[in-house]
Amino acid sequence: AQTVTQSQPEMSVQEAETVTLSCTYDTSENNYYLFWYKQPPSRQMILVIRQEAYKQQNATENRFSVNFQKAAKSFSLKISDSQLGDTAMYFCAFMKPGAGGTSYGKLTFGQGTILTVHP
Amino acid sequence: GAGVSQSPSNKVTEKGKDVELRCDPISGHTALYWYRQSLGQGLEFLIYFQGNSAPDKSGLPSDRFSAERTGGSVSTLTIQRTQQEDSAVYLCASSSDPGSYNEQFFGPGTRLTVL
Repeated sequence: AQTVTQSQPEMSVQEAETVTLSCTYDTSENNYYLFWYKQPPSRQMILVIRQEAYKQQNATENRFSVNFQKAAKSFSLKISDSQLGDTAMYFCAFMKPGAGGTSYGKLTFGQGTILTVHP
Repeated sequence: GAGVSQSPSNKVTEKGKDVELRCDPISGHTALYWYRQSLGQGLEFLIYFQGNSAPDKSGLPSDRFSAERTGGSVSTLTIQRTQQEDSAVYLCASSSDPGSYNEQFFGPGTRLTVL
């Protein structure tokens, strides 16, 4: 079974600064997908960024980027130029590919990191 | 409405009562997932539907929990004889291509409080 660990229960950052959220995972799979989801107070989970394990290039989406270290099983999220609207809980998630077998595309989540952006 | 919707938004019930939680996935999405978000257990998978069948029910915590999906669309999660430990936010998600790189779209969740 896969496990995902987010070791930072809470983080805070000043507006316009950069913050990095940590995530490590444990799996025996060679190919898989990793995701960062954001959950604001509205509870609506929103996909922030995703990474395919076989791609060495780190994914980027505007102010969001990841540092994917496959050998170390690490998948951190960097938020640049933090904005007040980035305040939310962030979840790292793992998915084993495939629609059958033991996967079915279900997500395994970390415990989450509450990020607060201060003005 | 193009997104996943869930109802009710909040539900307060007394211990021992049955509750039904509803999920309307994005039209055309064949895959539907239920997850539970609680303080003690974090965010955990409950059940997966492909069409109307549920090939993976491995996350349901007890036989008090059941779910069905009809017409390949709406799903209902039923909790019988609710207990205080069932208090949590129940999230539903849908996807057009399960197990792929495609995004799972989440609903806003139902917050269940068992008194």
